[in-house]
Amino acid sequence: DQQVKQNSPSLSVQEGRISILNCDYTNSMFDYFLWYKKYPAEGPTFLISISSIKDKNEDGRFTVFLNKSAKHLSLHIVPSQPGDSAVYFCAASGESTDKLIFGTGTRLQVFP
Amino acid sequence: GAGVSQTPSNKVTEKGKYVELRCDPISGHTALYWYRQSLGQGPEFLIYFQGTGAADDSGLPNDRFFAVRPEGSVSTLKIQRTERGDSAVYLCASRLAGGPPTYNEQFFGPGTRLTVL
Repeated sequence: DQQVKQNSPSLSVQEGRISILNCDYTNSMFDYFLWYKKYPAEGPTFLISISSIKDKNEDGRFTVFLNKSAKHLSLHIVPSQPGDSAVYFCAASGESTDKLIFGTGTRLQVFP
Repeated sequence: GAGVSQTPSNKVTEKGKYVELRCDPISGHTALYWYRQSLGQGPEFLIYFQGTGAADDSGLPNDRFFAVRPEGSVSTLKIQRTERGDSAVYLCASRLAGGPPTYNEQFFGPGTRLTVL
């Protein structure tokens, strides 16, 4: 069973516009959520995280929103830049474990 | 460099052979993780070390997979009697310290691409 789901395999956005990447989870015991960005032939790079006690965390152009009742989180990138083109993974962890549970990823393409 | 390094970057082997994959974590990081990423999937947890001991090995798929971290730094993932289904990118990550409350993120290496023919 997939505990963390990213239902959109790809997203294409024009430069300067907002990119919104979505993630759903099923396990209510998750208490920390992260977004990682991955370029080809590189390991995932940490982008931004949010604790389950918050509903929003912002870092520059990146904002993560958490809706616990809906078990849904989203990553907003604004304004989008061509260098943001990568695969974005949503991940979650719980208090009783350090392992990260990843979604299947969304490939973002930002075109000029 | 100061990042997580993994060797080799690519490994091609034949079905039934034994392979070892190495991970050098960031200096001072006590927690080390192994993940496996198959094509079109996200990274899948294999095992987690806190220091020298395996704190959670629940993700190892079967007893052909084994990992060690004898001195609490470098780790080796060992796969016996490789099968074609083992083909994937094996990722290693390290973290300053495990556990809450202040979360510190996992830093990933570039991975080892394993191909079993």
